[in-house]
Amino acid sequence: GESVGLHLPTLSVQEGDNSIINCAYSNSASDYFIWYKQESGKGPQFIIDIRSNMDKRQGQRVTVLLNKTVKHLSLQIAATQPGDSAVYFCAENMRTGFQKLVFGTGTRLLVSP
Amino acid sequence: SQTIHQWPATLVQPVGSPLSLECTVEGTSNPNLYWYRQAAGRGLQLLFYSVGIGQISSEVPQNLSASRPQDRQFILSSKKLLLSDSGFYLCAWTQEGEQYFGPGTRLTVT
Repeated sequence: GESVGLHLPTLSVQEGDNSIINCAYSNSASDYFIWYKQESGKGPQFIIDIRSNMDKRQGQRVTVLLNKTVKHLSLQIAATQPGDSAVYFCAENMRTGFQKLVFGTGTRLLVSP
Repeated sequence: SQTIHQWPATLVQPVGSPLSLECTVEGTSNPNLYWYRQAAGRGLQLLFYSVGIGQISSEVPQNLSASRPQDRQFILSSKKLLLSDSGFYLCAWTQEGEQYFGPGTRLTVT
């Protein structure tokens, strides 16, 4: 069936580096994508979203890129900080009149000082 | 502003015992509400969702049930817990396409 997957389960970076977390999706009907950050023992926190009519969206230190041709989504974090250490999930939504997100398995980002 | 509450935060229950987890949302009306389960080190699995009072849709067959007795209250229940019911249970709601999560309940079935 349709699914969202992540390329890397763990990403280790040095403080100050830029981080890139990737996500592949397979449902061409999905038109809305979200990135979440989940710290240990807490619920996922909304980071940034993007709709399928866009290919790039920027937030504070984060940028999401969407490549519909290859069904690929990425989250870029600039000047990564130790507080960015968490598990990051991408999720896709198929707008069938009701929002029902499909989540990937997550990528753990480890930031070393 | 909108706030979502879950309780209890942690719970340890023996196999075969009943379960009731509660989720309430403040600051909005008629939200879409969701229950997810997250196994350790894994992604989120959608269990139930609700578009209104008394309206429950189940995503996967399982040992759990859900109810929505009030507009901003969503309850997850079980009559007899299984070991496999252990996990991190998250309630969520949507507004204008964005989905927000509660703090979660960590359930350990022993």
